[in-house]
Amino acid sequence: ETGVTQSPTHLIKTRGQQVTLRCSSQSGHNTVSWYQQALGQGPQFIFQYYREEENGRGNFPPRFSGLQFPNYSSELNVNALELDDSALYLCASSTRDNYYGYTFGSGTRLTVV
Amino acid sequence: AQSVAQPEDQVKVAEGNPLTVKCTYSVSGNPYLFWYVQYPNRGLQFLLKYITGDNLVKGSYGFEAEFNKSQTSFHLKKPSALVSDSALYFCAVRDWASSSNTGKLIFGQGTTLQVKP
Repeated sequence: ETGVTQSPTHLIKTRGQQVTLRCSSQSGHNTVSWYQQALGQGPQFIFQYYREEENGRGNFPPRFSGLQFPNYSSELNVNALELDDSALYLCASSTRDNYYGYTFGSGTRLTVV
Repeated sequence: AQSVAQPEDQVKVAEGNPLTVKCTYSVSGNPYLFWYVQYPNRGLQFLLKYITGDNLVKGSYGFEAEFNKSQTSFHLKKPSALVSDSALYFCAVRDWASSSNTGKLIFGQGTTLQVKP
C-alpha cells in the first residue's frame, strides 16, 4: 500500500509567478484535500476534490485552484503568488466518508521571494 | 462555529515520565477527533482517532487519548515519554458544519512537546 506522495519537496518562486504542486493519493482513497500550513500555525483547509470536482473550499481566494484526475491524483495551482503564500502545502487523501481518517503527504515547502 | 484549542504552546517532560498534551473542541454534532504528530520539515503523521465507542483510544507509538464529552476534551497521553517523542502535536476535529459534507479538518495551533533526557 503506497502512501501520499507530493512533489516537489521544496521550491522557490518570485512574487507574481504561478506554481503547480502535485499529489498522488493513497491507494484506495478517492478524496483529496489540500491544506496550507504557515510557519508556527496549524494547517488551514484550502479545498477538497472528489470525483474530479471541487467539493468544499476554505477561506482562500480564487487564485488558489485545483484539479483531480481520474486516478485520484491532484494538483494545486496558485496564481499571482504573494509573499504570504510562503508555507508548507499539505495534501491529504481519504475515503469519501473519511471514516478511516486522512493520510497526509510530507508536504511541499513553498517560498515566495 | 467548529473550533479546536490547544491551550499549551509547549509541554516539557523528562524522559520516562508520563505526558499529557491538552485539546478541547467545539463542534455541532458528534465529534470525529484526531491527533497528528509533525516532525521538523515533515508532513503530518496520524496517531489516533476517536469516532465512537470507548472513551480511551489507543494509537500508534504507545500514545492514547481520552475522550471526555462533558468537558469537550480529547487529551493526548503517554505513560512513559521518550526523547524521540519530541515533536509538534496537532489536535483536529472533523467539521460537520459544511453543507457539502466536505469533511474538512479543523486543526489546533499545535503543541510542541520537548522530552528531556
